Amino acid sequence: TQLLEQSPQFLSIQEGENLTVYCNSSSVFSSLQWYRQEPGEGPVLLVTVVTGGEVKKLKRLTFQFGDARKDSSLHITAAQPGDTGLYLCAGDAGNNRKLIWGLGTSLAVNP
Amino acid sequence: NAGVTQTPKFRVLKTGQSMTLLCAQDMNHEYMYWYRQDPGMGLRLIHYSVGEGTTAKGEVPDGYNVSRLKKQNFLLGLESAAPSQTSVYFCASGQGPGRGTGELFFGEGSRLTVL
Repeated sequence: TQLLEQSPQFLSIQEGENLTVYCNSSSVFSSLQWYRQEPGEGPVLLVTVVTGGEVKKLKRLTFQFGDARKDSSLHITAAQPGDTGLYLCAGDAGNNRKLIWGLGTSLAVNP
Repeated sequence: NAGVTQTPKFRVLKTGQSMTLLCAQDMNHEYMYWYRQDPGMGLRLIHYSVGEGTTAKGEVPDGYNVSRLKKQNFLLGLESAAPSQTSVYFCASGQGPGRGTGELFFGEGSRLTVL
């Protein structure tokens, strides 16, 4: 069974702080996606990483795919209250029709 | 842009009642999915479909049935609701893993309470 472990599960920080969320697996993925979910809404895609070692930036968010394509990280610089939400990683093994989901990291950024 | 639309958004059922959740997408996606989301459990796949007329079981299919008679619609049915089925249900659609980015587009969710 393929698993994606996310850490930390919960994170509460002050506005302006930096943070990193991790998504780890023992399995190799052809790509990995990061989603953000706000209360009362469905998840929305932030980024997809495909190549081992790839780094993508989305404003203050930096996403990295591990060299072996088994893990990924999301780093937020100078967090703002608008970053509050549930961050989910999802891996595509490429050989089946279902994404493998992490349990999510619930982030609260306090003003 | 409608994207993925779920109806109803809220529903309260009594144990043993039946109901159907409707998901409609206007993006011509082949793949559609039904997930449930519970605290501490993440998103769990109930059933999915890789095209019109096809369905397949996910991780937690028991107590649910689905149908995909039209490409744009994916229905989730509960024949005899149980309190354990109290959850938030999300429908999603996409081109499918391994195709393009594999991005999933989600509806806003349907909150179901079974008393």
